[in-house]
Amino acid sequence: DVKVTQSSRYLVKRTGEKVFLECVQDMDHENMFWYRQDPGLGLRLIYFSYDVKMKEKGDIPEGYSVSREKKERFSLILESASTNQTSMYLCASSLDGSPLHFGNGTRLTVT
Amino acid sequence: EDQVTQSPEALRLQEGESSSLNCSYTVSGLRGLFWYRQDPGKGPEFLFTLYSAGEEKEKERLKATLTKKESFLHITAPKPEDSATYLCAVQAIGSRDDKIIFGKGTRLHILP
Repeated sequence: DVKVTQSSRYLVKRTGEKVFLECVQDMDHENMFWYRQDPGLGLRLIYFSYDVKMKEKGDIPEGYSVSREKKERFSLILESASTNQTSMYLCASSLDGSPLHFGNGTRLTVT
Repeated sequence: EDQVTQSPEALRLQEGESSSLNCSYTVSGLRGLFWYRQDPGKGPEFLFTLYSAGEEKEKERLKATLTKKESFLHITAPKPEDSATYLCAVQAIGSRDDKIIFGKGTRLHILP
């Protein structure tokens, strides 16, 4: 079974802090993704990566950056957290043409 | 424009009361349609992939079907543990995984 592990289930951060969300997958998947999920808005793609060192902007990249130094690890960085970044963050991985496999999410609260 | 619409937004059923969830989609050509289950506070869990009209997949009390315009997730004799949000997603032919489009989900609540 594919396992996608997000390092934190819950995080509480202050406005202006730099926040790191970590994601690791154990199935040698090429593709990795970061989404946020908000009530009424569904899943929105923030950033994705199809290879090590490669990254591309999704639909809502503003205020975020990512890092993919190793194939299995994809990090999401909030450079200066703001209250409107309070959300559920979901990491996913896939092989081309296969379903996305999601982690259990990180519930981030920015106060 | 490619899009996915799920209905109803929310559904409450008595235990044992069978029903169906709908996923209507508009896509230039379908590469695959995916169903996920999401429990509160957790990530979506993959259930099924359907590729062509007429295809059906089953898992326990769930059966997914596909036509050229929509997919149904049929729930037979549901139990309280089937309560969750069910998400549908589609991918168009020739598109990569970042172009997978998700619906907003149907929240299903099964009353004991």
